[in-house]
Amino acid sequence: GEDVEQSLFLSVREGDSSVINCTYTDSSSTYLYWYKQEPGAGLQLLTYIFSNMDMKQDQRLTVLLNKKDKHLSLRIADTQTGDSAIYFCAEAWNTDKLIFGTGTRLQVFP
Amino acid sequence: GAVVSQHPSRVICKSGTSVKIECRSLDFQATTMFWYRQFPKKSLMLMATSNEGSKATYEQGVEKDKFLINHASLTLSTLTVTSAHPEDSSFYICSAWGGLAGGPSSTDTQYFGPGTRLTVL
Repeated sequence: GEDVEQSLFLSVREGDSSVINCTYTDSSSTYLYWYKQEPGAGLQLLTYIFSNMDMKQDQRLTVLLNKKDKHLSLRIADTQTGDSAIYFCAEAWNTDKLIFGTGTRLQVFP
Repeated sequence: GAVVSQHPSRVICKSGTSVKIECRSLDFQATTMFWYRQFPKKSLMLMATSNEGSKATYEQGVEKDKFLINHASLTLSTLTVTSAHPEDSSFYICSAWGGLAGGPSSTDTQYFGPGTRLTVL
């Protein structure tokens, strides 16, 4: 089956690091993505990682992939209030069809 | 960067009427577009894949006669919710597959529209 799961909520203090986790079941996924959705808006692609990579860093964002455990994480360094949003992981398998996770609502407080 | 627009951004209609939502890729051509539905505080569910010049491919459980999709050009796909009912109220998001290289490649990805909030009274 194609199930992608995330924890529902994460609350962090401004300036701390945030780690959002995602588990997926399709081991043949080729690409894994992280999207950000602000209230009432569409999705913004934050970053992505190929399945043959273990880690990818892009400014404040670090993506870690553990293929053995089918676990993906997104670390946001120096979290700001503007980072408050819902974060979705998504997997794709050699096609353009995305399977989305359940979404994690990140709340950043001062 | 690649931009996808949707129109309208918000629509309220009476039960039994039909509503058309447009999805446009503004600065690139998209042979494939996708339609998603998002329920409040839920994830996105893929409804259908829209291919230019051919019939859309619907996901299991999505009524093709209720959600009509037309992808008549490389920059426009439309979703028509026919005989809308209150349970069709939702946030509908489209996306277009594309990028700088064009066609499937390591630089291509889905670019999402801003979404359309449909409320059926």
